[in-house]
Amino acid sequence: GAGVSQSPSNKVTEKGKDVELRCDPISGHTALYWYRQRLGQGLEFLIYFQGNSAPDKSGLPSDRFSAERTGESVSTLTIQRTQQEDSAVYLCASSRIVGDTQYFGPGTRLTVL
Amino acid sequence: GNSVTQMEGPVTLSEEAFLTINCTYTATGYPSLFWYVQYPGEGLQLLLKATKADDKGSNKGFEATYRKETTSFHLEKGSVQVSDSAVYFCALKGNNNDMRFGAGTRLTVKP
Repeated sequence: GAGVSQSPSNKVTEKGKDVELRCDPISGHTALYWYRQRLGQGLEFLIYFQGNSAPDKSGLPSDRFSAERTGESVSTLTIQRTQQEDSAVYLCASSRIVGDTQYFGPGTRLTVL
Repeated sequence: GNSVTQMEGPVTLSEEAFLTINCTYTATGYPSLFWYVQYPGEGLQLLLKATKADDKGSNKGFEATYRKETTSFHLEKGSVQVSDSAVYFCALKGNNNDMRFGAGTRLTVKP
């Protein structure tokens, strides 16, 4: 595709519900990254994929967060039992190979009521 | 662990003023350093980068030099324009390919 796309662009959910956020990387990019940006704060690195594997999951904030990637393409970030502090913009980026220039998607704004 | 600290904003300048946004880092090994920019209503995009000490990254009139001795990567531009108004993020890529971003500095340039 022309760029990284993410869906939904906005998601409002109630506390305790599960949410799934989707990222479609640039075609052919083997590396994919997830970040969280809370209001007024910098980007917080969550996880990255090399192909379909995530070498290091220690950046995920809690065990309520999980991510997967299939077919070296689409990735989903799942947040279970959402809490109000999960409210943030979740950004996805991809790069041709790990360590290469990252291209960011527009983000998903998650609001947990 | 690795971390990035950048100058707090917001920064407001008049057109054609000189810009400096400070960025310092803490890292083990030999990180790569980046500046990303987020224009109003748009996504993050890479502005410039440097992969080793003394490298200078430059783009669109912006420059930053990787200074290992001061662990800094300050962003500079000699003459800002209104169109430079955006949020600027300093970032570091560590040896494990993990990225760390600063909190962002909002720049507003007035005509």
